[in-house]
Amino acid sequence: GENVEQHPSTLSVQEGDSAVIKCTYSDSASNYFPWYKQELGKRPQLIIDIRSNVGEKKDQRIAVTLNKTAKHFSLHITETQPEDSAVYFCAAIYYGQNFVFGPGTRLSVLP
Amino acid sequence: ETGVTQSPTHLIKTRGQQVTLRCSSQSGHNTVSWYQQALGQGPQFIFQYYREEENGRGNFPPRFSGLQFPNYSSELNVNALELDDSALYLCASSPTPGQDRTDTQYFGPGTRLTVL
Repeated sequence: GENVEQHPSTLSVQEGDSAVIKCTYSDSASNYFPWYKQELGKRPQLIIDIRSNVGEKKDQRIAVTLNKTAKHFSLHITETQPEDSAVYFCAAIYYGQNFVFGPGTRLSVLP
Repeated sequence: ETGVTQSPTHLIKTRGQQVTLRCSSQSGHNTVSWYQQALGQGPQFIFQYYREEENGRGNFPPRFSGLQFPNYSSELNVNALELDDSALYLCASSPTPGQDRTDTQYFGPGTRLTVL
């Protein structure tokens, strides 16, 4: 079955620096790759997503890149702020039915 | 915040008991998925319901079962509770097929289940 790996498990950056989180997936049939942000005690919140027919997508300070050949995708956060501190999850989904999440990355933005 | 709601917020049960968790999907969404999130881990897919039928299932035993109602709300039932069932249970709804972004999932706040 599908497997999603996510690295690093923890990441600390200085405020204003960039943060990059990388995920790899195993099933080449995966066609949709969302990223979720989960603050302590709260629900996962969709922050950006990308589909397999697109290589890159950007939304203000957040961007996601997808390399279908290598089966990996990455989240890029620029100009990090303290409120970006949270756990980030990537996921790989195919045909709207098989949903697999990565184990998460705990991002800490230090003032 | 999404329009997905869940009840109850917290629940404490003992081993061997049964539990029912409830989820109301966002308006216009007819697909509901359930996840188990253990502490410090990513959500694990339990199953999905579409138009009142199970539409995909993860690696969970049959004592995890579900229902979807005509109004698209859903229940997750867990029988013979085990200590390892202690987790945050999340439901997520997705838009109706034919609309945009039918595979995008919007999560509810979750139900924290503790099994003693």
